[in-house]
Amino acid sequence: DGGITQSPKYLFRKEGQNVTLSCEQNLNHDAMYWYRQDPGQGLRLIYYSQIVNDFQKGDIAEGYSVSREKKESFPLTVTSAQKNPTAFYLCASTDSNQPQHFGDGTRLSIL
Amino acid sequence: DQQVKQNSPSLSVQEGRISILNCDYTNSMFDYFLWYKKYPAEGPTFLISISSIKDKNEDGRFTVFLNKSAKHLSLHIVPSQPGDSAVYFCAAKFTGGYQKVTFGTGTKLQVIP
Repeated sequence: DGGITQSPKYLFRKEGQNVTLSCEQNLNHDAMYWYRQDPGQGLRLIYYSQIVNDFQKGDIAEGYSVSREKKESFPLTVTSAQKNPTAFYLCASTDSNQPQHFGDGTRLSIL
Repeated sequence: DQQVKQNSPSLSVQEGRISILNCDYTNSMFDYFLWYKKYPAEGPTFLISISSIKDKNEDGRFTVFLNKSAKHLSLHIVPSQPGDSAVYFCAAKFTGGYQKVTFGTGTKLQVIP
């Protein structure tokens, strides 16, 4: 059963800590994306990757980093430089002009 | 700068009636539009799309209308069902390659039994 798996579903971080959110897809999609959802603001693009070993900043990349070492995986690191990290994070993937498929998200909270 | 706008944060409709969700965009270069449906604590799922060369696309109970001159699109759900209760996101993109998708802020639809 093809899809996108995000883990964990809930994540807590202490102030000043980096944390990495996992995103794995078995859809054989070339492109992968990370979005952040805040109340009343819809989905905002953090980073995207069109191909392995290549990625681009989205609209709100500050305080985040990504890697794309494998086609299936696109982990997102929320660094201590991100001043307001509490949000719902969504990973998506797509192939060519097809609609994006989304994972079920990770909710990050600051302790 | 919000290029895709959904000005109604919420909408309540009686079961069996029509639900109309609206979306406006500012960038005339957008040529492909999508609607996604999202339940709480889940990722959005693709619902229906329309290319700018069309003004209507229908899929079962769901119809999307596009008015390019007004830079406006709408999603009609007929008849509305309680299971349709969710947040609906309008999105827009340029066709070709992997250009990013710009999402609206969402409209929360509640279908009352």
